[in-house]
Amino acid sequence: DAEITQSPRHKITETGRQVTLACHQTWNHNNMFWYRQDLGHGLRLIHYSYGVQDTNKGEVSDGYSVSRSNTEDLPLTLESAASSQTSVYFCASSESKRGTDTQYFGPGTRLTVL
Amino acid sequence: GDSVTQMEGPVTLSEEAFLTINCTYTATGYPSLFWYVQYPGEGLQLLLKATKADDKGSNKGFEATYRKETTSFHLEKGSVQVSDSAVYFCALGPTGNQFYFGTGTSLTVIP
Repeated sequence: DAEITQSPRHKITETGRQVTLACHQTWNHNNMFWYRQDLGHGLRLIHYSYGVQDTNKGEVSDGYSVSRSNTEDLPLTLESAASSQTSVYFCASSESKRGTDTQYFGPGTRLTVL
Repeated sequence: GDSVTQMEGPVTLSEEAFLTINCTYTATGYPSLFWYVQYPGEGLQLLLKATKADDKGSNKGFEATYRKETTSFHLEKGSVQVSDSAVYFCALGPTGNQFYFGTGTSLTVIP
C-alpha cells in the first residue's frame, strides 16, 4: 500500500546544530508539504513543492529550507536549530494543485531543541 | 488574512451523545473546507470535505455543511462512540496556494 513516512519520529538536538527531517512518499504525488504543529496554533505551512526542483515558502519558512530532487522525497532542513523550533513536524502529499485534493499526512516527527 | 477558528476543547461526551464542533472561517476567495481527524500518535486523516457553498460532506456518521452566509462548517455526529476519541481539525484552502488549519479540538468519549 502507498504511504508517507517520516524519520526520525523523535529527535533531540542542541541550539545551533543543523537538523534534517526526512519525508518519503510512495503515492507518486507531485505535491508535498511541510507543516509544524504547535499548541494554540494548529498546523502552519513551512514549505511546499509542486514537483521536482520546485520549492515554495509557506507562512513560517524562516530558518527552514527544503529541496526536491525526486518525486518521493522532500527533506526539511533546519540550518541552525533554535528553541523556538521545538515542535511536531508533519509532512503531507497530494496528487494535484486542485484545492479539493486530499492531503495525506505522515505520522509526524517530534523535535526538541535544547 | 484567511483563517479558521474552532471551538476550544477539550470536549468530553458520553457514548451515544450528540456532537457538535464549531468551525468558522474567514476567506477572501471561495476555498474548499475540510475536517481532518488525528488519532493519538498518528498523522492527520481527511474525515470529510465540501468544495462549494451548501455542499454537505459526510463520512463515518459525521456531517458538515459549507455555509457561506454564516461562514461556518460545523462538524456534527448524532451518536458518538469511544473510537471517535481524537483531535479534530477544521481547514480551508487553497487560498494563495496555502491551506489554513484551526487549532484543533480534542474529543474524549467515555463509555
